[in-house]
Amino acid sequence: GEDVEQSLFLSVREGDSSVINCTYTDSSSTYLYWYKQEPGAGLQLLTYIFSNMDMKQDQRLTVLLNKKDKHLSLRIADTQTGDSAIYFCAENLMYSGGGADGLTFGKGTHLIIQP
Amino acid sequence: GAVVSQHPSWVICKSGTSVKIECRSLDFQATTMFWYRQFPKKSLMLMATSNEGSKATYEQGVEKDKFLINHASLTLSTLTVTSAHPEDSSFYICSARRLTSGEFTDTQYFGPGTRLTVL
Repeated sequence: GEDVEQSLFLSVREGDSSVINCTYTDSSSTYLYWYKQEPGAGLQLLTYIFSNMDMKQDQRLTVLLNKKDKHLSLRIADTQTGDSAIYFCAENLMYSGGGADGLTFGKGTHLIIQP
Repeated sequence: GAVVSQHPSWVICKSGTSVKIECRSLDFQATTMFWYRQFPKKSLMLMATSNEGSKATYEQGVEKDKFLINHASLTLSTLTVTSAHPEDSSFYICSARRLTSGEFTDTQYFGPGTRLTVL
């Protein structure tokens, strides 16, 4: 079965880097995602990584994937107050029949920015 | 960019009534839409997969007679919570699957969610 784990809170100082970690259990995941949810808003896709990649960088965002340990992380450089939100790790399983199924999410990490 | 809307954004209803939530993809066609439920301090739980023109596929433990899903067009899926009870109070989020050519061919775009409160 699928299970995605994240820590519930992370507190960082403005300007520092934030690293949000996620572990998953299903090795057949082909896509892994990071979504951001701001208060009162829907989910916004931040970035994604294919399971055959180790790292992906997109401006201030760096995603690292360790398939052996089933560990995914999101690093936000130079964290700003606007980065305050809940960050969800999610995996997407490609079943043998083809096509994508719904996403399996972690519980979300609340990123708190200290001035 | 791809936009998904939900209506209503919030609804309060009496126990025993039915509530319909709409999910629309505004600028793309979505053959597949998904319905999620978000509990406080818990992750998003996939409830069902809605395919245009066919019956929805429900996840284990989700009552299909209670949560009716209709995907009548390529841009609209509806979730009806029938005979709602206080334990159905939650945040319901839909997503629409968009298929495109290029590097990333498959992604889901989420609606803003609907807060349901059953008194």
